[in-house]
Amino acid sequence: AQSVTQLGSHVSVSEGALVLLRCNYSSSVPPYLFWYVQYPNQGLQLLLKYTTGATLVKGINGFEAEFKKSETSFHLTKPSAHMSDAAEYFCAVSDKTGTASKLTFGTGTRLQVTL
Amino acid sequence: NAGVTQTPKFRVLKTGQSMTLLCAQDMNHEYMYWYRQDPGMGLRLIHYSVGEGTTAKGEVPDGYNVSRLKKQNFLLGLESAAPSQTSVYFCASSPWWTSYFEQFFGPGTRLTVL
Repeated sequence: AQSVTQLGSHVSVSEGALVLLRCNYSSSVPPYLFWYVQYPNQGLQLLLKYTTGATLVKGINGFEAEFKKSETSFHLTKPSAHMSDAAEYFCAVSDKTGTASKLTFGTGTRLQVTL
Repeated sequence: NAGVTQTPKFRVLKTGQSMTLLCAQDMNHEYMYWYRQDPGMGLRLIHYSVGEGTTAKGEVPDGYNVSRLKKQNFLLGLESAAPSQTSVYFCASSPWWTSYFEQFFGPGTRLTVL
């Protein structure tokens, strides 16, 4: 069985500061990993994904994440926070068994950006 | 392209009532999914479908039924609503060749059961 742990249900940063959202996963097979963002009253939008290849993945809106197999982590970072980054962020791992992928989500981290 | 759409956006039910949530996608995707989102619990998979006429149970299927009569539509039914089914419901879809890569989500349906 696979699982995702997101450390910190709420993270607050100042505008212009580094954003670091933590995600650790557990998977019995090499994982596919995702970060999704949810803005208020909207659905989930894919930020970035790791499937194979380069372990540093760049996504939209200046976000990036690094797959570290030895640490079973996939932390999300952005060098400089913007007010528009305020949202809820979900880390997810894909179950590659069977005929359809089933995403297992973390519990989410709400990012607050202050002036 | 409208992507993934969900109907209705909001609904209030009384305990015991029934309703159907409609998900439609215009991307010709083979796979479709229903999730529920609850505070502090992330998204949990209710049911999914790998093609027209097929459905399968996810993590939390009890109290829900689904149907996929047309490739573009995936219906989620509640036969006898309970307060524990108060949640935000999201539909998602993915094409088979990237089924392990990305799911595309609808805007959600907020359901309250009194």
